[in-house]
Amino acid sequence: EAQVTQNPRYLITVTGKKLTVTCSQNMNHEYMSWYRQDPGLGLRQIYYSMNVEVTDKGDVPEGYKVSRKEKRNFPLILESPSPNQTSLYFCASSLSGRVRSPLHFGNGTRLTVT
Amino acid sequence: AQTVTQSQPEMSVQEAETVTLSCTYDTSESDYYLFWYKQPPSRQMILVIRQEAYKQQNATENRFSVNFQKAAKSFSLKISDSQLGDAAMYFCACLTKSNSNYQLIWGAGTKLIIKP
Repeated sequence: EAQVTQNPRYLITVTGKKLTVTCSQNMNHEYMSWYRQDPGLGLRQIYYSMNVEVTDKGDVPEGYKVSRKEKRNFPLILESPSPNQTSLYFCASSLSGRVRSPLHFGNGTRLTVT
Repeated sequence: AQTVTQSQPEMSVQEAETVTLSCTYDTSESDYYLFWYKQPPSRQMILVIRQEAYKQQNATENRFSVNFQKAAKSFSLKISDSQLGDAAMYFCACLTKSNSNYQLIWGAGTKLIIKP
C-alpha cells in the first residue's frame, strides 16, 4: 500500500531533550516536506527536500533540522526542544516539487514539550 | 506574498443540507493548483477535491464541488447532502511556484459542524 509513515504518533518530552520524528514513504517520491499545524494558523512548512541530499528551509525552520540521505526517509530532528514547539507535525511527499502534484500525508505526530 | 484566506473559522449545517465553505487566494503565478483537504478528528489529511487553474470547468467529486472564480481568486467548496461523517476541519490550499519550486500555501482552516 502506498503510504507515508510517521513515527511516533504521540510524543511527550521535556525541554532540551533531543528527539527525532521519523518519516518514510514507499512511493519513490522525490519531494518530501515537514509541516507543523497550530490552531488558527493552518499548516506551516518547516523544511522541504526536492531530492536526496537537497533540503531547504520553509517558513518556520528555527529549532529544527532535517536530513535526506535516502530517497524514502526524511527525519525531523529537534536538537533542543522547547515548549513553543508543542504542535501537531505532518510529513508529506509528492512525486516532484517541480511539477504540480498533490501531497500525500502521514498520520501526524502530536508532540508535547514540557 | 502568496496567501490563502479562509474567512470562516467555523460553520455549522443541518444534516442532509448544503453548505459552502469560502476560500480566497492571492498569487501572481498563472500556473497553480487549488485543493481542499479534510482533516477529521483522526488528524489524517484527506484530499477532497482539486482544481487546475487553467481549467474553467468546476471540479466535482460526488457530493463535493467547487465554485472556482479565477478573476476573483475565489475557490469555495460546496458540500451537498451533508452527512455526519463530513464533520471535520477543512483546509484550502494553493500549489504554486515559489523560487522555481512548487510549494503549498495553506489557509487557516474552517471547522465544519454537522447537526443531526
